[in-house]
Amino acid sequence: AQSVTQPDIHITVSEGASLELRCNYSYGATPYLFWYVQSPGQGLQLLLKYFSGDTLVQGIKGFEAEFKRSQSSFNLRKPSVHWSDAAEYFCAVGDQAGTALIFGKGTTLSVSS
Amino acid sequence: KAGVTQTPRYLIKTRGQQVTLSCSPISGHRSVSWYQQTPGQGLQFLFEYFSETQRNKGNFPGRFSGRQFSNSRSEMNVSTLELGDSALYLCASSLEAGANYGYTFGSGTRLTVV
Repeated sequence: AQSVTQPDIHITVSEGASLELRCNYSYGATPYLFWYVQSPGQGLQLLLKYFSGDTLVQGIKGFEAEFKRSQSSFNLRKPSVHWSDAAEYFCAVGDQAGTALIFGKGTTLSVSS
Repeated sequence: KAGVTQTPRYLIKTRGQQVTLSCSPISGHRSVSWYQQTPGQGLQFLFEYFSETQRNKGNFPGRFSGRQFSNSRSEMNVSTLELGDSALYLCASSLEAGANYGYTFGSGTRLTVV
């Protein structure tokens, strides 16, 4: 069965520092991969998605993610974090039927000044 | 352009009652999916509707049901509420059927069962 693992429950990064959030997935074929962000009391916002092609995907708010098939990973990166990036981040993979997303447990990002 | 609208934002219900949550998708979006978010289980898929038909259902008991209307608006219903049904219920819409296009989520309905 497909699954998504986000190894880090909570990460604290200094403002202006770089960020990498880890995501590992389990899926037999080429996956559809997503990163979503959720601010407190809000729904989820799509940051970026990967279907095929270039393994480095650019998203909104300066985020990017790299798909590495050999490592079954889809890590999210940002070169310089802003205080407004503090939120919970979810990695997800499309299920085999293509009708639902399977989410990781999320990583909470705190930004220190 | 208006986003995905969920009503109400907050609900408090008593065990054994039933509840109906509403979701209006982005104009033109024909697919509506529902997810349950809890601290323990995380985000779990409930069901997807497209053109008034349920395409898929997650691993939830029959107490959880839904429907979609001809204008793409959707409702989900939970009968005989249990304490464990307390959660944030998120609705997501997309232009076409399926999850792989990427969803637009609403802000959710926070259900508390007491």
